[in-house]
Amino acid sequence: EVQLVQSGAEVKKPGESLKISCKGYGYSFTNSWIGWVRQMPGKGLEWMGIIYPGDSDTRYSPSFQGQVTISADKSISTAYLQWSSLKASDTAMYYCARPYSGSDWGQGTLVTVSS
Amino acid sequence: QSVLTQPPSVSAAPGQKVTISCSGSSSNIGNNYVSWYQQLPGTAPKLLIYDNNKRPSGIPDRFSGSKSGTSATLGITGLQTGDEADYYCGTWDSSLPVFGGGTKLTVL
Repeated sequence: EVQLVQSGAEVKKPGESLKISCKGYGYSFTNSWIGWVRQMPGKGLEWMGIIYPGDSDTRYSPSFQGQVTISADKSISTAYLQWSSLKASDTAMYYCARPYSGSDWGQGTLVTVSS
Repeated sequence: QSVLTQPPSVSAAPGQKVTISCSGSSSNIGNNYVSWYQQLPGTAPKLLIYDNNKRPSGIPDRFSGSKSGTSATLGITGLQTGDEADYYCGTWDSSLPVFGGGTKLTVL
């Protein structure tokens, strides 16, 4: 059974850095694209970007290019989403998901950025 | 602003049928498969339809999908109060996955 298990909720202040994680189980993590989806409060789903852990090929949606960093460590089957300087507007639920599968989603990580 | 356009909301009575449209272009829907997702409040999205019209195991046949040209449609028959949710279409565009803006279904 495929499982994507995300790290826990975070509360941060503006300007702080953050890295959240998503660990994959039950499939070949190295050979499958994985990505991150943002859902701001009361809003829709937005793909932020995807990564292929096998060769670290990373693609960012235009709205998120330069705003976040997506990475993966294939040795521990874990993908990451990272911010260097958070803003209040980064407050959202973040899901990891396998874009070609469609049925495999993490449980979500709530990130709250507030002074 | 998503590249895929969905109506913000639709509504129908229990037992009735509803359709949700998803309009795109040749760079996305026109040349790629379409998926549909259901998101109940406070939960992760759930795949309802993939490859335009296929249902994953466990999804009832009340849910159907179709695609024509650069548009796709999700159909739901025999509406139940439990179908009240947000629905999203998804596909690929320029080697990136994309979602529609989402449609809120109200079962009156």
